[in-house]
Amino acid sequence: DAGVTQSPTHLIKTRGQQVTLRCSPKSGHDTVSWYQQALGQGPQFIFQYYEEEERQRGNFPDRFSGHQFPNYSSELNVNALLLGDSALYLCASSLGLGATTNYGYTFGSGTRLTVV
Amino acid sequence: QKEVEQNSGPLSVPEGAIASLNCTYSDRGSQSFFWYRQYSGKSPELIMSIYSNGDKEDGRFTAQLNKASQYVSLLIRDSQPSDSATYLCAARWPSNYQLIWGAGTKLIIKP
Repeated sequence: DAGVTQSPTHLIKTRGQQVTLRCSPKSGHDTVSWYQQALGQGPQFIFQYYEEEERQRGNFPDRFSGHQFPNYSSELNVNALLLGDSALYLCASSLGLGATTNYGYTFGSGTRLTVV
Repeated sequence: QKEVEQNSGPLSVPEGAIASLNCTYSDRGSQSFFWYRQYSGKSPELIMSIYSNGDKEDGRFTAQLNKASQYVSLLIRDSQPSDSATYLCAARWPSNYQLIWGAGTKLIIKP
């Protein structure tokens, strides 16, 4: 049973560039959430996708955008990269939006983005 | 502003002792609480979830929830060096679907 798969595992980009991170949810899960975790901090919620729509968004600028595909996989795009975007980007999948379920999230191993 | 707070530590506990990790949250409306363990450079791994007041036990782990006092704790019995990690507390409110995370407590189990 495949867990959450993220790619790439590591990435180095230059300021001003654009990046796309990818996530395949755990089998049976239909909801994908993206988090940014800076060093020494807890994860910060970026946004959540369900039924190919962005359902919730955290306090992140429009440079952060995403997409969910019919097979439930998802992409996170970041434009005009800043040094402060350097972080571990985590994808978490779950079943449903969570309002009526109490399941925890299953996390992928993350993508370590370094902006230089 | 919904917040989850944890003492960043490090919390140092001798091997075999009980490690006690605490977390407080700002809004009584929170519905679900989760404890995750994160090893350095790795992604968070779910240890336990708790939704009702009281204790919930799973092996060496016990989660405790007190909604009136707005805190949730995690006890680890018979602590092992492999338990050394950062423990993240997260809460979810029914008004939205995201998890709000604490910054984590670093736990060190001394052999």
